[in-house]
Amino acid sequence: GENVEQHPSTLSVQEGDSAVIKCTYSDSASNYFPWYKQELGKRPQLIIDIRSNVGEKKDQRIAVTLNKTAKHFSLHITETQPEDSAVYFCAASKGGGGNKLTFGTGTQLKVEL
Amino acid sequence: GAVVSQHPSRVICKSGTSVKIECRSLDFQATTMFWYRQFPKQSLMLMATSNEGSKATYEQGVEKDKFLINHASLTLSTLTVTSAHPEDSSFYICSAGSDHGGNTIYFGEGSWLTVV
Repeated sequence: GENVEQHPSTLSVQEGDSAVIKCTYSDSASNYFPWYKQELGKRPQLIIDIRSNVGEKKDQRIAVTLNKTAKHFSLHITETQPEDSAVYFCAASKGGGGNKLTFGTGTQLKVEL
Repeated sequence: GAVVSQHPSRVICKSGTSVKIECRSLDFQATTMFWYRQFPKQSLMLMATSNEGSKATYEQGVEKDKFLINHASLTLSTLTVTSAHPEDSSFYICSAGSDHGGNTIYFGEGSWLTVV
């Protein structure tokens, strides 16, 4: 089955700096890669996603890049703000609403003032 | 947008009793729903895939007789934790996907289960 690895497990940045979280996946058939932000005790919130036919996607301060050959994808957050502090999870799926997500282990991001 | 609702949000039960958690897709039909378990400071671990009208598919290591899943309609899946023990205390969360608009998967609010 699919295996998703995520690094780093914790990340501290100063407000205004950029943060990068990286994930690798094992199943070359995976074609959908969402990123979720989760605050303590709450449901994961989709913040950005990318499909395998695209190499990069950006939404304001958030961007995701995908390298299919290397089977890795990354989340980039620029101009970080304290409210960006949360746990971030990457995931991989073979696509379609009926396909299960395999999650990475999570990254605790802390944005310090 | 599509919404998935989960109930209850918090439940406390005694050891040995059973607890049922409901997951509903409110504005779309979901032939497949997923149940995850999340321990504090850990990732979401898939427990099982709930299939409408058929048996659930359980992940390796998940006891199907302990975690009963029923998906009797296109909008409702239930997870019943039977003979609960303190080690079953966890955050349980469901998700459902709508094929409208692509691969989007929606999560329920999650349910905190505490077994005392």
